[in-house]
Amino acid sequence: AQTVTQSQPEMSVQEAETVTLSCTYDTSESDYYLFWYKQPPSRQMILVIRQEAYKQQNATENRFSVNFQKAAKSFSLKISDSQLGDAAMYFCACGAGGGADGLTFGKGTHLIIQP
Amino acid sequence: EAQVTQNPRYLITVTGKKLTVTCSQNMNHEYMSWYRQDPGLGLRQIYYSMNVEVTDKGDVPEGYKVSRKEKRNFPLILESPSPNQTSLYFCASSPTPVGSYNEQFFGPGTRLTVL
Repeated sequence: AQTVTQSQPEMSVQEAETVTLSCTYDTSESDYYLFWYKQPPSRQMILVIRQEAYKQQNATENRFSVNFQKAAKSFSLKISDSQLGDAAMYFCACGAGGGADGLTFGKGTHLIIQP
Repeated sequence: EAQVTQNPRYLITVTGKKLTVTCSQNMNHEYMSWYRQDPGLGLRQIYYSMNVEVTDKGDVPEGYKVSRKEKRNFPLILESPSPNQTSLYFCASSPTPVGSYNEQFFGPGTRLTVL
């Protein structure tokens, strides 16, 4: 089983600035995958970025990047050039390799973008 | 369009009145699951299905039933709903079990209120 911890219930950032959302996880599996999902007010769950644990290189998707520290079991999300449309709940999630268990989610971070 | 659909999107019911929330996907995915989302708790898995006629409990299965008679459909059944089942429910599907790099595709959510 996995545990995922997001220690920041809410974050606020000025438009065009950079913000980092924290996530730590714990798993006994050697093969696992990490995800960040965005949930805007529409409630739709949208995949932002994903990382394979065996890859050392940090994943990047346009303005979104992660800082994956495997030894520290840390998986933070950095949003550059924040835009008003980035305002949402962000969930960190972990899925273990090969298992049928679903994703384990953190409790979420509410990101506010100040114009 | 590839998608996961849920019905109804909103439902208000009373304690003890059996209800079913339908979920359907058109991507020929083998793996489907149900989550509930509660404030401050993130998403928690209720049940999942590896394939037709194969279902298993997730983290919070009490009070719920599921069935998988067809690959595309995975209904969630509340035989005797109680107020503590008031929540936002998500159905999700993926090509393979989520212990992999594959993205889980989420439905739009069903807001259930049990009075």
